[in-house]
Amino acid sequence: LAKTTQPISMDSYEGQEVNITCSHNNIATNDYITWYQQFPSQGPRFIIQGYKTKVTNEVASLFIPADRKSSTLSLPRVSLSDTAVYYCLVGDSLNTGGFKTIFGAGTRLFVKA
Amino acid sequence: SAVISQKPSRDICQRGTSLTIQCQVDSQVTMMFWYRQQPGQSLTLIATANQGSEATYESGFVIDKFPISRPNLTFSTLTVSNMSPEDSSIYLCSVAKTGSPGLHGYTFGSGTRLTVV
Repeated sequence: LAKTTQPISMDSYEGQEVNITCSHNNIATNDYITWYQQFPSQGPRFIIQGYKTKVTNEVASLFIPADRKSSTLSLPRVSLSDTAVYYCLVGDSLNTGGFKTIFGAGTRLFVKA
Repeated sequence: SAVISQKPSRDICQRGTSLTIQCQVDSQVTMMFWYRQQPGQSLTLIATANQGSEATYESGFVIDKFPISRPNLTFSTLTVSNMSPEDSSIYLCSVAKTGSPGLHGYTFGSGTRLTVV
């Protein structure tokens, strides 16, 4: 399983765009990149997933360069409610079996008013 | 995505006793996992709950301490046995469904906050 490295914490202000970068130098060909968000006293929540290039949904965008050795989660115009821990995970599709989710340390995002 | 009901949401237990945590899913899922999260820390995978067979444990976790059952595709239990204060933590159930490549995700329960005194 590829190891991931993220900044431990980040601060931002309401209305700003936040970019959290994750390094995964040993990513394998079959690995996908998935980001989760966790609020206090809750389980992690799936945000977005991608394999290459750019993925966008109603919550965030995920940018993956051609070499796939890193990825950037982009949160547009954050609000106070985006204060949470964000985890980057790398792993194989469930279709190939044996996939299990290993969490890194995560990035603690604190949004200020 | 699947909806998970995890019980109890919290408990305070005496050392030396055992607690069984239940994870009920509203639909059949392929894979179920149990995690532990200590205060301020990331999640640590305890084991993969296999339907109809013994769970697969991660390094540092053993069946005698954390017995797991998974009698069907919608239900699993994790027991924390012979508890000590070091077992105080949040325990989370997670499930996943197979799907087209790149379209899967994991759903987590809200967790069980365990305090051992």
